Amino acid sequence: ETGVTQTPRHLVMGMTNKKSLKCEQHLGHNAMYWYKQSAKKPLELMFVYNFKEQTENNSVPSRFSPECPNSSHLFLHLHTLQPEDSALYLCASSPRLKVSIQYFGAGTRLSVL
Amino acid sequence: RKEVEQDPGPFNVPEGATVAFNCTYSNSASQSFFWYRQDCRKEPKLLMSVYSSGNEDGRFTAQLNRASQYISLLIRDSKLSDSATYLCVVNPNDRGSTLGRLYFGRGTQLTVWP
Repeated sequence: ETGVTQTPRHLVMGMTNKKSLKCEQHLGHNAMYWYKQSAKKPLELMFVYNFKEQTENNSVPSRFSPECPNSSHLFLHLHTLQPEDSALYLCASSPRLKVSIQYFGAGTRLSVL
Repeated sequence: RKEVEQDPGPFNVPEGATVAFNCTYSNSASQSFFWYRQDCRKEPKLLMSVYSSGNEDGRFTAQLNRASQYISLLIRDSKLSDSATYLCVVNPNDRGSTLGRLYFGRGTQLTVWP
């Protein structure tokens, strides 16, 4: 148990659906991250939040919309996704942006039909 | 050019074997280096940091060669439980990058058989 909880663990959605992924960390960290992990590819950083403020959007399509209401919670809102968006979506946190070690949640495995 | 390059393997070794993984990185100004481990269908977890002088943690030894921009991980006396994917991770931490941004390699898959 890393202290980073993601829900749901699995999600199947159609291309016209709207769904949200949730991440919660119980570690008192101030920085949170969304990553995408596709088969045979390295983890891709999507968004970075520091003290609730977005500090990086790594050229992510607008069909992915992050929300960070506080330092402990991070959401990823999904709408009109494409089949190629099927992947494992991982949330991570770190004490501060300058601390390199990140702690990951178990991920949400997303399938877009 | 990819930020971090790793041989994807797979490496299949018997129990008790010694196995080494290599990784190269493109940004010579990179400051921090790590090996993460990812079990099948699980999240990545930090295995160990990599220091310039090299460091050891039990059966695991990590080495860094800044001149060659090369990182290695050596596993001695392999156990069945070592079967996983090993991710090479680099934090450039330079002026042009987001502080805390990590670059991950594709991972090297290891299977230890009895």
